[in-house]
Amino acid sequence: QKEVEQDPGPLSVPEGAIVSLNCTYSNSAFQYFMWYRQYSRKGPELLMYTYSSGNKEDGRFTAQVDKSSKYISLFIRDSQPSDSATYLCAMRAGTALIFGKGTTLSVSS
Amino acid sequence: ETGVTQSPTHLIKTRGQQVTLRCSSQSGHNTVSWYQQALGQGPQFIFQYYREEENGRGNFPPRFSGLQFPNYSSELNVNALELDDSALYLCASSPRGEGSLYEQYFGPGTRLTVT
Repeated sequence: QKEVEQDPGPLSVPEGAIVSLNCTYSNSAFQYFMWYRQYSRKGPELLMYTYSSGNKEDGRFTAQVDKSSKYISLFIRDSQPSDSATYLCAMRAGTALIFGKGTTLSVSS
Repeated sequence: ETGVTQSPTHLIKTRGQQVTLRCSSQSGHNTVSWYQQALGQGPQFIFQYYREEENGRGNFPPRFSGLQFPNYSSELNVNALELDDSALYLCASSPRGEGSLYEQYFGPGTRLTVT
């Protein structure tokens, strides 16, 4: 079992839809949880981070962490074509970030 | 504020050769990490440098080595290149203090092709 599991998709939604992206993990020691967005042929861009369990909101984005279930989510409200990208979850393990494989999202206008 | 920069953008090498990739960290950041991202995969941690010393290493063989310089820039060296080394190599820098726990800012990457 991989430490971080993420459904690679692809996920296709119409503009304005609510998008839910998810990751599961196996290591209960993870404390910091990040979401990155990566456009094609670019480096990952930090979207949000959350410490321990709970919710965090930033504009159209909401990150949720449920440590009891070892499950994290990223919700995107009112999705836009510019949100089309690969979304990577990441968790901190010592000095390293452990990434999921990424979910490819396509938002059509 | 200048972001993380990497050079070169693209590189083609032959199996068995050696390669050096370069990274300049974001202003004010003293920690640099390197990741390998194969096509369709998430980035995999290679190692991290802090104050010019290796500060953590992932599951990569010794032919992957690095350096950090006094200005916090860094190099990744790969010897005896193999076909499986073909990937996007990403550099990420982190700020001092608590931010280093969750903030890693990535450069655009160097795409290495080994033939």
